[in-house]
Amino acid sequence: GNSVTQMEGPVTLSEEAFLTINCTYTATGYPSLFWYVQYPGEGLQLLLKATKADDKGSNKGFEATYRKETTSFHLEKGSVQVSDSAVYFCALWKAGANNLFFGTGTRLTVIP
Amino acid sequence: KAGVTQTPRYLIKTRGQQVTLSCSPISGHRSVSWYQQTPGQGLQFLFEYFSETQRNKGNFPGRFSGRQFSNSRSEMNVSTLELGDSALYLCASSLERGREYEQYFGPGTRLTVT
Repeated sequence: GNSVTQMEGPVTLSEEAFLTINCTYTATGYPSLFWYVQYPGEGLQLLLKATKADDKGSNKGFEATYRKETTSFHLEKGSVQVSDSAVYFCALWKAGANNLFFGTGTRLTVIP
Repeated sequence: KAGVTQTPRYLIKTRGQQVTLSCSPISGHRSVSWYQQTPGQGLQFLFEYFSETQRNKGNFPGRFSGRQFSNSRSEMNVSTLELGDSALYLCASSLERGREYEQYFGPGTRLTVT
C-alpha cells in the first residue's frame, strides 16, 4: 500500500542551524511527493512539491529532492529562523487513489 | 483569490449528538476533500467529492458522511458523536485537469466532544 515514514520529532535547533527532516515512502509506480507546513492554530500550507524522480522542489529556502532509488524526499534548509517553527508533514499523492497519504509530522522549534 | 474557508472554526458537542461542518473551496476548484487530524492517528483521509459525487472514501465508519453542492461547497456530517471524534477536521480543495494533487487546505474546524 501507500505510506510515508517521517523522522520522529520534536526537533529543536538554534537559529541559523542546518535542518534536515527525513522522509521515506512506500508506493508502487511514481507518486507525487510533498512537504506541508502547519503553523500553530492553522491548517496545512503546501511548502514544496516534486512530481517525478530527480525533481527538486524548493520554496522559502527549503528544498527536497525526489530520490526514487532510495524512495526518499528529505527536507533541508541551510539556515533556519525562529519563524520556521512549525510542524512539517511529508505526503504522497498516488494517481488513482485521489488522496494524500501523510507522515506523522515533525515538530520543529527554532530558538534564538 | 480567497482561500478555502471552513465554518465553524470551533465546536463543542456532547456524545451522541450529531454535527455538520461546512467548507467553501477556492473559486474555480471543483474537488473537495476532507481529512481528520488527531494526535494519535495523525492526518487521515475521510472522503473526496467532485461534481456533487463522492469519488473516494477513506476507512471511516458510516457515521461520517458528506455531500457537495452544485457550487462546489461541501459539508460533512458526523452522527452519534463519540469522544474519539474529537479532532481537527480539515477541508482541502483542488483543481482538476491534472492538478488534482495540489491541494489547498482550509484552517480547519476543531471539534471537541465531551
